[in-house]
Amino acid sequence: EPEVTQTPSHQVTQMGQEVILRCVPISNHLYFYWYRQILGQKVEFLVSFYNNEISEKSEIFDDQFSVERPDGSNFTLKIRSTKLEDSAMYFCASSERSQGGLNTEAFFGQGTRLTVV
Amino acid sequence: GEDVEQSLFLSVREGDSSVINCTYTDSSSTYLYWYKQEPGAGLQLLTYIFSNMDMKQDQRLTVLLNKKDKHLSLRIADTQTGDSAIYFCAESNKAGTALIFGKGTTLSVSS
Repeated sequence: EPEVTQTPSHQVTQMGQEVILRCVPISNHLYFYWYRQILGQKVEFLVSFYNNEISEKSEIFDDQFSVERPDGSNFTLKIRSTKLEDSAMYFCASSERSQGGLNTEAFFGQGTRLTVV
Repeated sequence: GEDVEQSLFLSVREGDSSVINCTYTDSSSTYLYWYKQEPGAGLQLLTYIFSNMDMKQDQRLTVLLNKKDKHLSLRIADTQTGDSAIYFCAESNKAGTALIFGKGTTLSVSS
């Protein structure tokens, strides 16, 4: 069964450092997403990406964040200068069509736990 | 703004029914979803319901939607230890382009 894979499963980084979280979406999917969940809080939408550009982003997704699809298979989330409050579980997802509509199951990866120290 | 609330914990005995409740704020949401997260795994879509439906049944799962009260529930019949997981309620945002999740309900099933 096709799945979304994320690497690494756990990343520890020092405050102020740059991190790149990697995701390989399902191959025939066109829409890609990043969500995050701070411990004990809700899963929050960060950004959606379609046709090689950001289609929507939340207030959380400020200038410290960027996304890229550097080749035909990877989808990355970069945090330029990490802060303690960036510590969270980051989920990548992909779907054939835009989420929220008919038959738009979004497949999620297992998450990357980012710990900023 | 859009918001989804759900209780954090539910503990049941194997064989009993589990009912996980959720309230949401955006009455314009077209679809409402239940996702399951097992330890170490991603979020897996369990089921979804279209907003013009009151109920949807899929094997052991029953979803009830009360649009007037903006209340969604997931009932799991004959709960098994393998059902132990975190269950997330979600609604689509106004634009229909992303999901708004609750905090998740941790279901613990004891034998």
